[in-house]
Amino acid sequence: KQEVTQIPAALSVPEGENLVLNCSFTDSAIYNLQWFRQDPGKGLTSLLLIQSSQREQTSGRLNASLDKSSGRSTLYIAASQPGDSATYLCAVSGAGGTSYGKLTFGQGTILTVHP
Amino acid sequence: NAGVTQTPKFRVLKTGQSMTLLCAQDMNHEYMYWYRQDPGMGLRLIHYSVGEGTTAKGEVPDGYNVSRLKKQNFLLGLESAAPSQTSVYFCASSTFPSGTSTDTQYFGPGTRLTVL
Repeated sequence: KQEVTQIPAALSVPEGENLVLNCSFTDSAIYNLQWFRQDPGKGLTSLLLIQSSQREQTSGRLNASLDKSSGRSTLYIAASQPGDSATYLCAVSGAGGTSYGKLTFGQGTILTVHP
Repeated sequence: NAGVTQTPKFRVLKTGQSMTLLCAQDMNHEYMYWYRQDPGMGLRLIHYSVGEGTTAKGEVPDGYNVSRLKKQNFLLGLESAAPSQTSVYFCASSTFPSGTSTDTQYFGPGTRLTVL
């Protein structure tokens, strides 16, 4: 059974700092890995999707990397801003068996960026 | 284009009561999903549907039933609510199952359910 773990559970940083969120998964048989953002009381919004054959994806100040063989992904946020404060969730899409096409989520990292 | 909407936003039930959560999407997506989110446990898949008239069990289906009579709607039912079903419920939809393309799942705003 796929298990996804995110470290740290919570992170508080001053504005302007660069930061890294970590995600690890136990089964390397995945189609893709996604990073989502969740604001309080809201749904999830997809930030970046990395296909299993890719190593990284970039969008603005965000960069996500994937090392499928070691079961790890990182989300790098450059020059953090208070508006980046949210919960960040990592999810992997299963590639085989009963997990095909289904997302398995990590517990999330709560990020607070203070002015 | 409203995307994915959920009704109601909040609900309080007593143990043993029943209710139905409604999810609607206007993106003509084939796939729809129901998740629950509990503190410290991330999102877990309850049931999903791969098209109109189909449903399938996810990771935590016990105590829930679903129906997909119309392509745009996916209903989640609780026949006899229990305090363990206190959670935030999210609906999502997608064109394809995650992984077969670069398409992602689009999420609704959630329903916060409390069972006393």
